[in-house]
Amino acid sequence: EAGVTQFPSHSVIEKGQTVTLRCDPISGHDNLYWYRRVMGKEIKFLLHFVKESKQDESGMPNNRFLAERTGGTYSTLKVQPAELEDSGVYFCASSHLGQENTEAFFGQGTRLTVV
Amino acid sequence: GEDVEQSLFLSVREGDSSVINCTYTDSSSTYLYWYKQEPGAGLQLLTYIFSNMDMKQDQRLTVLLNKKDKHLSLRIADTQTGDSAIYFCAGLTGRRALTFGSGTRLQVQP
Repeated sequence: EAGVTQFPSHSVIEKGQTVTLRCDPISGHDNLYWYRRVMGKEIKFLLHFVKESKQDESGMPNNRFLAERTGGTYSTLKVQPAELEDSGVYFCASSHLGQENTEAFFGQGTRLTVV
Repeated sequence: GEDVEQSLFLSVREGDSSVINCTYTDSSSTYLYWYKQEPGAGLQLLTYIFSNMDMKQDQRLTVLLNKKDKHLSLRIADTQTGDSAIYFCAGLTGRRALTFGSGTRLQVQP
């Protein structure tokens, strides 16, 4: 069974440009999460989808970030326009909907560098 | 301060025990986790403990939870070079998302 896959693995863009990150969760996982780790700090929650609906987007830093999950399958996270402080590693995770302690499986992350 | 705090770095010799510590502020965390991240890889769940437990052992891993002090630790017995990685503690909050610490880089010297 394929794990959570993220694309691209690395992205280097200039300040002001747009970047779209993609996450393919494990098939059948209704929960999908985005997290971000900035400059070796803690990994911070960005948002949570249940199927195609945004369950919680309280961690989104500002309105330059837009996440979608059309059809409840893969998800995209767009940053427009990108700023220097957006640099970091963006992780996606997915899990089954159900019990509280359902294991979340993480992708390898997308390292975003804004220059 | 941060919701979950960890020391940044730990160096041990191969064969020794490693103890990675974590303190957290959210007493409502129902589950507490330890994740491992190897270079270029995603986060791998190592083990977890339910908040009403104080210890859990899983092969070389021992998790200790002091709920009164909000302190969580991960002990790795007989540490191997393959254990070198970044270790994150995390708590599951009511919103069903994980709150992570900043990670502890474990370096195992041969």
